[in-house]
Amino acid sequence: DIQMTQSPSTLSASVRDRVTITCRASQTISTWLAWYQQKPGKAPKLLIYKASSLESGVPSRFSGSGSGTEFTLTISSLQPDDFATYYCQQYNSYSWTFGQGTKVEIK
Amino acid sequence: EVQLLESGGGLVQPGGSLRLSCAASGFTFSSYAMSWVRQAPGKGLEWVSAIGGSGDRTNYADSVKGRFTISRDNSKNTLYLQVNSLRAEDTAVYYCAKVHDWGFLDVWGKGTTVTVSS
Repeated sequence: DIQMTQSPSTLSASVRDRVTITCRASQTISTWLAWYQQKPGKAPKLLIYKASSLESGVPSRFSGSGSGTEFTLTISSLQPDDFATYYCQQYNSYSWTFGQGTKVEIK
Repeated sequence: EVQLLESGGGLVQPGGSLRLSCAASGFTFSSYAMSWVRQAPGKGLEWVSAIGGSGDRTNYADSVKGRFTISRDNSKNTLYLQVNSLRAEDTAVYYCAKVHDWGFLDVWGKGTTVTVSS
């Protein structure tokens, strides 16, 4: 099974900061990677798919990059609505794996 | 509007069973694979199971294999998860999600809560 490792687990940042979250796969997954945002008590929301494609309606301050085994999610200028937990997810051979999550907290 | 609405959760004793349902609307249900994802209290997301659009293909996480069964009724636009032999560690919010052709989960329901406790 493919394992996904996110870092950091927790990130403290201020409004307007540039934030980067990293996700590493235990084996190559090409660009079959998605990023989700989850707020407390809510379902996850798709942000990025195919490693770098922005889901419709998601603000352009969110971007994704990477291929193979290393991927990043970047928030170019953190806004108050962005304080949440972020998960990466891979898809391979009809099996899905999520990273353990990165909680973005107010500094 | 594309929507998913889960139901069927509740409090059940260890060893008990439940059938979770997910009613879909706003898209051609039979054209898409569907998935269940769960989240234990205070923990991260865990993929549980998936089923192909025609129901021909299924897969399960090792943690639920042999205890959970995914199915669908395309005539009713409904996804199911039969959960048997429940354990305390199965306590979680269970989400259903629509699987895009490229494998990401593009639509999620609000979730239904399963609590396993005596």
